[in-house]
Amino acid sequence: NAGVTQTPKFRILKIGQSMTLQCTQDMNHNYMYWYRQDPGMGLKLIYYSVGAGITDKGEVPNGYNVSRSTTEDFPLRLELAAPSQTSVYFCASSLEETQYFGPGTRLLVL
Amino acid sequence: GENVEQHPSTLSVQEGDSAVIKCTYSDSASNYFPWYKQELGKGPQLIIDIRSNVGEKKDQRIAVTLNKTAKHFSLHITETQPEDSAVYFCAAGGFGDYKLSFGAGTTVTVRA
Repeated sequence: NAGVTQTPKFRILKIGQSMTLQCTQDMNHNYMYWYRQDPGMGLKLIYYSVGAGITDKGEVPNGYNVSRSTTEDFPLRLELAAPSQTSVYFCASSLEETQYFGPGTRLLVL
Repeated sequence: GENVEQHPSTLSVQEGDSAVIKCTYSDSASNYFPWYKQELGKGPQLIIDIRSNVGEKKDQRIAVTLNKTAKHFSLHITETQPEDSAVYFCAAGGFGDYKLSFGAGTTVTVRA
């Protein structure tokens, strides 16, 4: 039981490039979430999903897209990377209220 | 939406002393209040949580108290040890989509 896994661990992007952050959970959780963490700012919700095929915006969705075709996977897509998207990204999943987090992806946009 | 404020932003304590972190929330509909510990380079890990029908909960050296009337909740760590050094986050949320709003975090340093 690996829990929540994220790839890659670290990535450097050039402005305007695109990439997909991968997130997979093996706990059969219906709920999945994407957060970004900036220094001194806590965790901000980007997008979330209540089940396969259903996604919704969180607090800071601009510049990101998500999809949820299976229960296990919840990829986060950056289409046109900007320096403001430099951050650490965490994926989480839950059965009900308690969220379990992955190890994070550190993204640097230059 | 929900707004969670957390204080202090940094806390330095002597090993063996107690540490207290306080959070306030704005949405009276929130009824679930978890605390997460984040070590350097890792994801947040749940250490304790409390629901609105409970005023206090303990788990060994950590305890959480909740005052729904005043909309604040606190984390208490007793007999602190060096391994308690980390960033701690409070959060508030409710039933339904189970979204959480997080505080900005408290960096706790335990001095040996």
